[in-house]
Amino acid sequence: GEEVAQTPKHLVRGEGQKAKLYCAPIKGHSYVFWYQQVLKNEFKFLISFQNENVFDETGMPKERFSAKCLPNSPCSLEIQATKLEDSAVYFCASSQFQDQPQHFGDGTRLSIL
Amino acid sequence: QKEVEQDPGPLSVPEGAIVSLNCTYSNSAFQYFMWYRQYSRKGPELLMYTYSSGNKEDGRFTAQVDKSSKYISLFIRDSQPSDSATYLCAMSDSGGSNYKLTFGKGTLLTVNP
Repeated sequence: GEEVAQTPKHLVRGEGQKAKLYCAPIKGHSYVFWYQQVLKNEFKFLISFQNENVFDETGMPKERFSAKCLPNSPCSLEIQATKLEDSAVYFCASSQFQDQPQHFGDGTRLSIL
Repeated sequence: QKEVEQDPGPLSVPEGAIVSLNCTYSNSAFQYFMWYRQYSRKGPELLMYTYSSGNKEDGRFTAQVDKSSKYISLFIRDSQPSDSATYLCAMSDSGGSNYKLTFGKGTLLTVNP
């Protein structure tokens, strides 16, 4: 498609539950980036992919966060054993090439209760 | 000191005013500079993308990059109420950061009719 599509728009989980977020990049874009936005506009990079390969995972919390981009499927970001501090808006962005501008979806708002 | 500093505002101007938004940065490796506009509950929308020092114009928007001073600006001419949003500067480098974006905190702009 012409836009980055993120689902669901809002996800509510109890502390300790699993959360899974999805992202369909713009058609033809090879790079996918995940960011976490907390505390009003603080963006934190999590992970990036080149097609189905991890490109950079230096921002990923190692223990509970995982992500995948598989062929012919939306990319996913999964959080195991969620904590209150995981409450944030998670944005996915895609770009055609690594040095091209990143285009963002509208995010998934994750609320941990 | 944060890598990217941006005055959070809020900034309130009358319709038709010229708006100036600025960011400073400390990492001299940054090569790619972007301005995004973010409406409430939406994802960042790319406004301007520049690679080198100098000016770039697109309609009512002008982006300036001064790498020697590590300073970037966005000017909005003939501002409209529909320009009311949070404006985010973002930047990346090609080497060590693998093109992940580092954002400023955003400036909240209100254009009053």
